[in-house]
Amino acid sequence: GQNIDQPTEMTATEGAIVQINCTYQTSGFNGLFWYQQHAGEAPTFLSYNVLDGLEEKGRFSSFLSRSKGYSYLLLKELQMKDSASYLCAVNTGFQKLVFGTGTRLLVSP
Amino acid sequence: GAGVSQSPSNKVTEKGKDVELRCDPISGHTALYWYRQRLGQGLEFLIYFQGNSAPDKSGLPSDRFSAERTGESVSTLTIQRTQQEDSAVYLCASSRTWDEQYFGPGTRLTVT
Repeated sequence: GQNIDQPTEMTATEGAIVQINCTYQTSGFNGLFWYQQHAGEAPTFLSYNVLDGLEEKGRFSSFLSRSKGYSYLLLKELQMKDSASYLCAVNTGFQKLVFGTGTRLLVSP
Repeated sequence: GAGVSQSPSNKVTEKGKDVELRCDPISGHTALYWYRQRLGQGLEFLIYFQGNSAPDKSGLPSDRFSAERTGESVSTLTIQRTQQEDSAVYLCASSRTWDEQYFGPGTRLTVT
């Protein structure tokens, strides 16, 4: 079967750094995506990793270790608007994405 | 250019009725996906269309669910004899190939 695990909820303060972890066990692997989803809105793309290592994009970075079945999303200089759910999704092949249940991040002043 | 659009944005229906949800993908995107998201849950894959290939229906939860797509354009998701457990947000996404999926705003379905 397919299994993607993320923490259910995390809290952090404005200006801080937070790391959201994702572990996966899937029948295939063709890349890992991170999406941001604000309440009541559609998910929006944040990052894509297919090779091991760190991908940096502004305040957001994403890391992948294929041998460990592990990824994390790093958010720096947190802002209130970063309060959202963060979804980890694995492309298991043939363009099928399997999503985790998401991590709800609450940023406080 | 325009993003993925879905209609209706909200649908309230009585148990046992049929509903049809519509998705207009981004022009030129060959792949189209339907997902279901129950309250507080992650996205659940339903069905995937790629060009003129046979769709991947492996995520459809029952034979009450079906979807069609004409070429690389509009898709409709039909739920027959709706049940209360069908209440959810139905999200459509499209992509060019294997990369980033662009999501529509979703249709919130409530079955009473």
